[in-house]
Amino acid sequence: GENVEQHPSTLSVQEGDSAVIKCTYSDSASNYFPWYKQELGKRPQLIIDIRSNVGEKKDQRIAVTLNKTAKHFSLHITETQPEDSAVYFCAASRPGNNDMRFGAGTRLTVKP
Amino acid sequence: EAGVVQSPRYKIIEKKQPVAFWCNPISGHNTLYWYRQNLGQGPELLIRYENEEAVDDSQLPKDRFSAERLKGVDSTLKIQPAELGDSAVYLCASSLFGTSGNEQFFGPGTRLTVL
Repeated sequence: GENVEQHPSTLSVQEGDSAVIKCTYSDSASNYFPWYKQELGKRPQLIIDIRSNVGEKKDQRIAVTLNKTAKHFSLHITETQPEDSAVYFCAASRPGNNDMRFGAGTRLTVKP
Repeated sequence: EAGVVQSPRYKIIEKKQPVAFWCNPISGHNTLYWYRQNLGQGPELLIRYENEEAVDDSQLPKDRFSAERLKGVDSTLKIQPAELGDSAVYLCASSLFGTSGNEQFFGPGTRLTVL
């Protein structure tokens, strides 16, 4: 089955700096890659996703890139703000299969 | 539109006791998931339903865990008997079935503490 690895496990940046979180996946058939943000004590919420037919997607300060050949994808947050502090999870799933596998998470701390 | 509803939000029980969690997915979502999230880790799939059929329960510890989604809408996850290692947050999520992956919407979770 799919195996998703996520790095780093913790990341601390200064407010205004950029943050990058990377994930690799094992199943070359996976074609959907969402990123979830989970604040302390709250539910995971989708912040951005990408499908395998595109290489990059942006939404304001957040972007995701996908390299299908290398089987890795990354989350980029620019101009970080203290409210970006949370745990971020990447995930991957296959077509026609709603089974989604999550990475272990990255705890991002943005210092004011 | 109401989101995924779960109850209870918190549950504290002693080991060997039974416990049940309830989930009501977003209206119209045919796929329902139960995840377990241990502290500091990502959600781990326990079971996935498409309508009333459990299509993936390979990660469900069947000796003590059971789940049902009798009418293809809300679902119940049960643990009997609970063990200390079952302490975790149990998340329910729902999505619309599709061919290229679909956003999963999560409920607030039930935080289980087994003493």
